[in-house]
Amino acid sequence: NAGVTQTPKFQVLKTGQSMTLQCAQDMNHEYMSWYRQDPGMGLRLIHYSVGAGITDQGEVPNGYNVSRSTTEDFPLRLLSAAPSQTSVYFCASSSDRSSYEQYFGPGTRLTVT
Amino acid sequence: KNQVEQSPQSLIILEGKNCTLQCNYTVSPFSNLRWYKQDTGRGPVSLTIMTFSENTKSNGRYTATLDADTKQSSLHITASQLSDSASYICVVYFSGNTGKLIFGQGTTLQVKP
Repeated sequence: NAGVTQTPKFQVLKTGQSMTLQCAQDMNHEYMSWYRQDPGMGLRLIHYSVGAGITDQGEVPNGYNVSRSTTEDFPLRLLSAAPSQTSVYFCASSSDRSSYEQYFGPGTRLTVT
Repeated sequence: KNQVEQSPQSLIILEGKNCTLQCNYTVSPFSNLRWYKQDTGRGPVSLTIMTFSENTKSNGRYTATLDADTKQSSLHITASQLSDSASYICVVYFSGNTGKLIFGQGTTLQVKP
């Protein structure tokens, strides 16, 4: 049982490049989400999904896309990277988003130059 | 505005000492409050989850309290260890229409030998 896995762990992009951050969980959780964590700020929700085929925007969705074709995987796509997207990105999963604890992945540290 | 404020921002204590971290929130309505521990370079890990009707919850040397009337929570760490050095994040679940987690900025604890 690996929990929540994320790849890559580190990534450097040039402005304008695109990439996909991978996230997978093996706990059969319906709810998955992406957060970004910036210095001096709490984690902020980018996008979330309540099940395969269902996604919705969080509080900071601009510049990011998601899809949920399977219960296990929830990739985050950066369409055209900007320096403002330099951050640490965490994927999380839980049985539902209200009552149960969330399990976080190890994070991806992204730098956009 | 729904907010979660934590204090102090950072704290240094000697190994073996106790400490208490504070969390004040203005989230309403809310259904639960969580404390997470985040080691440097890792994802947050859940310590406790308390519903609005619970006053206290323990997890080993960690004890969380909740006063829903004053909208305050605290996390008490007993007999601190070097491994307690981490950021501690208070999170409140806003159970209004949108239903979302609201994160505090965290308290960074350093335990020195």
